[in-house]
Amino acid sequence: NAGVMQNPRHLVRRRGQEARLRCSPMKGHSHVYWYRQLPEEGLKFMVYLQKENIIDESGMPKERFSAEFPKEGPSILRIQQVVRGDSAAYFCASSPSDRGVAFFGQGTRLTVV
Amino acid sequence: EDQVTQSPEALRLQEGESSSLNCSYTVSGLRGLFWYRQDPGKGPEFLFTLYSAGEEKEKERLKATLTKKESFLHITAPKPEDSATYLCAVQSGAGSYQLTFGKGTKLSVIP
Repeated sequence: NAGVMQNPRHLVRRRGQEARLRCSPMKGHSHVYWYRQLPEEGLKFMVYLQKENIIDESGMPKERFSAEFPKEGPSILRIQQVVRGDSAAYFCASSPSDRGVAFFGQGTRLTVV
Repeated sequence: EDQVTQSPEALRLQEGESSSLNCSYTVSGLRGLFWYRQDPGKGPEFLFTLYSAGEEKEKERLKATLTKKESFLHITAPKPEDSATYLCAVQSGAGSYQLTFGKGTKLSVIP
């Protein structure tokens, strides 16, 4: 019973490039959350999605960031024209419902050089 | 706005020396309080969910308790493998689905 799968685990991008982070939720989970963790800071909520719908994107910057969770395939967090300040660990979590426990993946560590 | 404050920021214990971690919260209607453990370079690992004041949950050497303003994670006779950062998070009942996390307590258990 695989857990939440994120890839890649590590991603290096030059300033101005695009970063695509992928998340496959646990089997049977249709609710996906993305969080960002900066060094010495807590996890910060970015976006909450259900299949084909964005439910809450209040924590996601309005520009350069987008997220999707298509009917088929993993959830994608996309960061366009990355800047040094985007360097962080990005975690995906999934749950079976909006009341369910959120289980986290191992994260993608993005480094912008 | 929901807020979570964890203390202390860091805690060093001798193996076998019991202690407690604190999580104080402000939330507009608590839907649930969550404890996670995070090892370096890894994702948070779920430990407990508490839903109402007075509730307690136990797992091996860990016990979580909840009041209307705070939660405690009690660690009894810790072992070096309990060393990790412990994260507390709240989920509001005001129509929000997100978890609001504290900054964590970094626990080191010395043999």
